[in-house]
Amino acid sequence: DGGITQSPKYLFRKEGQNVTLSCEQNLNHDAMYWYRQDPGQGLRLIYYSQIVNDFQKGDIAEGYSVSREKKESFPLTVTSAQKNPTAFYLCASSIRVYQETQYFGPGTRLLVL
Amino acid sequence: SQKIEQNSEALNIQEGKTATLTCNYTNYSPAYLQWYRQDPGRGPVFLLLIRENEKEKRKERLKVTFDTTLKQSLFHITASQPADSATYLCALRNAGNNRKLIWGLGTSLAVNP
Repeated sequence: DGGITQSPKYLFRKEGQNVTLSCEQNLNHDAMYWYRQDPGQGLRLIYYSQIVNDFQKGDIAEGYSVSREKKESFPLTVTSAQKNPTAFYLCASSIRVYQETQYFGPGTRLLVL
Repeated sequence: SQKIEQNSEALNIQEGKTATLTCNYTNYSPAYLQWYRQDPGRGPVFLLLIRENEKEKRKERLKVTFDTTLKQSLFHITASQPADSATYLCALRNAGNNRKLIWGLGTSLAVNP
């Protein structure tokens, strides 16, 4: 059953902590993306990766970091430098970086305690 | 400035009627426009794509139109059902060098039985 998985579904972070959100896909897609979704705002691109060992900053990369060591995996770390991390985080993939359809995971909701 | 706008108010319609959602854009030259469905707490799911040189696209009960003169796309759901209740997002891919997806805020649709 192909698709994108994200874990955990809910994540709690204490102030000052780094947390890592997992994203795995078995669609054999080259491109992967991280978005943040907040009430009253559209999806905002954090980082994207065109291919293994490559990634580019999106519109709101400050306070976040990513890695792409395997084609299937694109984890996102929310660092303590991100001042307003509470949000719904969505991972997506597409066949290539400018290929039309993006396939989304179920999302991770991050809450700061 | 560049903007993509969808109806901010929720749309409530009676089962069996046609739902029409609007996506307007300003100062973009879209290569194409997409529509996604998002259920609460879930990731968006791709529905339809329409290119700049296409006027209309259909898929089962769904129809999308694209008017580049009016800078508007309309998304129609005919014979609507309560299961169609969700938030519908439009996203456009700008032509040219900056080809990231630009997302609207979405319109919430409620279909009443």
